[in-house]
Amino acid sequence: SQKIEQNSEALNIQEGKTATLTCNYTNYSPAYLQWYRQDPGRGPVFLLLIRENEKEKRKERLKVTFDTTLKQSLFHITASQPADSATYLCAPQGGANNLFFGTGTRLTVIP
Amino acid sequence: DGGITQSPKYLFRKEGQNVTLSCEQNLNHDAMYWYRQDPGQGLRLIYYSQIVNDFQKGDIAEGYSVSREKKESFPLTVTSAQKNPTAFYLCASSVTGHTGELFFGEGSRLTVL
Repeated sequence: SQKIEQNSEALNIQEGKTATLTCNYTNYSPAYLQWYRQDPGRGPVFLLLIRENEKEKRKERLKVTFDTTLKQSLFHITASQPADSATYLCAPQGGANNLFFGTGTRLTVIP
Repeated sequence: DGGITQSPKYLFRKEGQNVTLSCEQNLNHDAMYWYRQDPGQGLRLIYYSQIVNDFQKGDIAEGYSVSREKKESFPLTVTSAQKNPTAFYLCASSVTGHTGELFFGEGSRLTVL
């Protein structure tokens, strides 16, 4: 069955550094993948969508890559700020009408 | 402002009781979804609807029911048949289904006493 893994439950980095979060998927080939940000007790907020024919996508300080050979997506936040502290969810396409959500990586940016 | 409104934010229920969670959107989106979030697990799809008066089961529909009588409303009923209903419930909507951005509400936390 399909499996989604996000590299770690928690990641701490120093302010100003680049945070890199990993999402691996197995046993299938999604046509696209989305990333969301979720703050405690709140609903997720959409950040980026990348399709299988796109290697990389950028939005301000965010960059997402999608390697269909490695079955992996990397999510980068450059020049990280304490306000970037949140849980980030990876969500590859799960079927015609579904997304599979990973368990998330909780990022803490230390001032 | 446009968005999705879920209510109530917190809800307590006794075992054996049904409870209905409200979800309203004014984004004019055709598609609406209900997800459940548990600690240590990703969001799991309960039900979704792509058009008024039509809805489909997601991965964990047992013990839940929905209706879609109006485009802007997609209420979820957690029935007494749901064995482990304590969770954080999230409603979402989108223009084009899961190929596009999902807009989420703020969630409803249900606790069964």
